Amino acid sequence: LAKTTQPISMDSYEGQEVNITCSHNNIATNDYITWYQQFPSQGPRFIIQGYKTKVTNEVASLFIPADRKSSTLSLPRVSLSDTAVYYCLVGAFNDYKLSFGAGTTVTVRA
Amino acid sequence: GAVVSQHPSWVICKSGTSVKIECRSLDFQATTMFWYRQFPKQSLMLMATSNEGSKATYEQGVEKDKFLINHASLTLSTLTVTSAHPEDSSFYICSAPMASGRVPYEQYFGPGTRLTVT
Repeated sequence: LAKTTQPISMDSYEGQEVNITCSHNNIATNDYITWYQQFPSQGPRFIIQGYKTKVTNEVASLFIPADRKSSTLSLPRVSLSDTAVYYCLVGAFNDYKLSFGAGTTVTVRA
Repeated sequence: GAVVSQHPSWVICKSGTSVKIECRSLDFQATTMFWYRQFPKQSLMLMATSNEGSKATYEQGVEKDKFLINHASLTLSTLTVTSAHPEDSSFYICSAPMASGRVPYEQYFGPGTRLTVT
């Protein structure tokens, strides 16, 4: 599984956009990039997944440059309830064994 | 959406006793489930892969005789922590992939079980 590197923590304020960049220099051709969110004492929750370019859903956007060696999760107009740990994972389509890195703790303040 | 449940949500047990944690996929079948352990302020660590109808596969460093896994049906996997010790106190989380998920590589996680061994 490709190793990922994310910032340990990020602080933001309500209403701002939060962008978390994840580095995955050794990403393989058949690897997807997936982001999960975890609140304290809860299991992780799927946010978004992409392979290349840009993916957007009702929660976030995922930007992936052409070389795919990094990706950026964008959370628009965060609220206090977006305070959580965000994990970037890289793996193949049919590889269900997930390897979680340290994640990024996002703290949203009023 | 798909739901994975765990029972109990929290448990306190005495050192030396065994504790069973259940993981159920409520609205889909899961031939494979995964068990993770998470210590405070740390990331999730994969412990083992639970396979319906066959033996579980354990990650390196995880004692298979201590963490017994049984995948008795397509919707239920159980993790039994045998002869629990205080160092086994942790947050245990299961997950299950759904073949017809919204996207590839999506997994559904249970809410977790907080185990405290006294």
